[in-house]
Amino acid sequence: NAGVTQTPKFQVLKTGQSMTLQCAQDMNHNSMYWYRQDPGMGLRLIYYSASEGTTDKGEVPNGYNVSRLNKREFSLRLESAAPSQTSVYFCASTLEGGGPSRAQYFGPGTRLLVL
Amino acid sequence: QKEVEQNSGPLSVPEGAIASLNCTYSDRGSQSFFWYRQYSGKSPELIMFIYSNGDKEDGRFTAQLNKASQYVSLLIRDSQPSDSATYLCAVNTDTDKLIFGTGTRLQVFP
Repeated sequence: NAGVTQTPKFQVLKTGQSMTLQCAQDMNHNSMYWYRQDPGMGLRLIYYSASEGTTDKGEVPNGYNVSRLNKREFSLRLESAAPSQTSVYFCASTLEGGGPSRAQYFGPGTRLLVL
Repeated sequence: QKEVEQNSGPLSVPEGAIASLNCTYSDRGSQSFFWYRQYSGKSPELIMFIYSNGDKEDGRFTAQLNKASQYVSLLIRDSQPSDSATYLCAVNTDTDKLIFGTGTRLQVFP
């Protein structure tokens, strides 16, 4: 049981390049999330998917697209990377329902540097 | 705008002392409350959750919730240098989303 996995762990891009961050979970969770974390800004939600086939914008969606490929996989795409997208990206997942099942479990993160 | 507020710290405590971390939230409809620990360069790790008023204990950790005052706290007893990390408070209302505070950095010195 690997939990939430992310690839790649680290990436350097030039401005204007594109890339896709991959996320997969093996916990049979329904909801999946993409966050970015910047110093002093905390975790900010980019996009989330409440269930397979649905996606919704979070707090900072501009410059990103997502695909919920199936129940396990949720990818984040940067079509034209900008230096402002230099950050650490975390994927997370959770079961549906209230109470403790709302707890989100995080992947190890992807460190992205855009030059 | 629903908010979760934490003092950024650092909170410095000696080894063996009790560390007290606090969090306030703005939405009275908040239902579930979570504490995550994040070591430098690592991802957030869930350590406690609470959804009823009062205290909840798990080993050296105690989460305290006061919905009337809209605060949640985390106590760490017998603090160890290995507890040095950033602690994130997260709050769930009635959606699929969590709202995170910016975290409190805890330093436990020998």
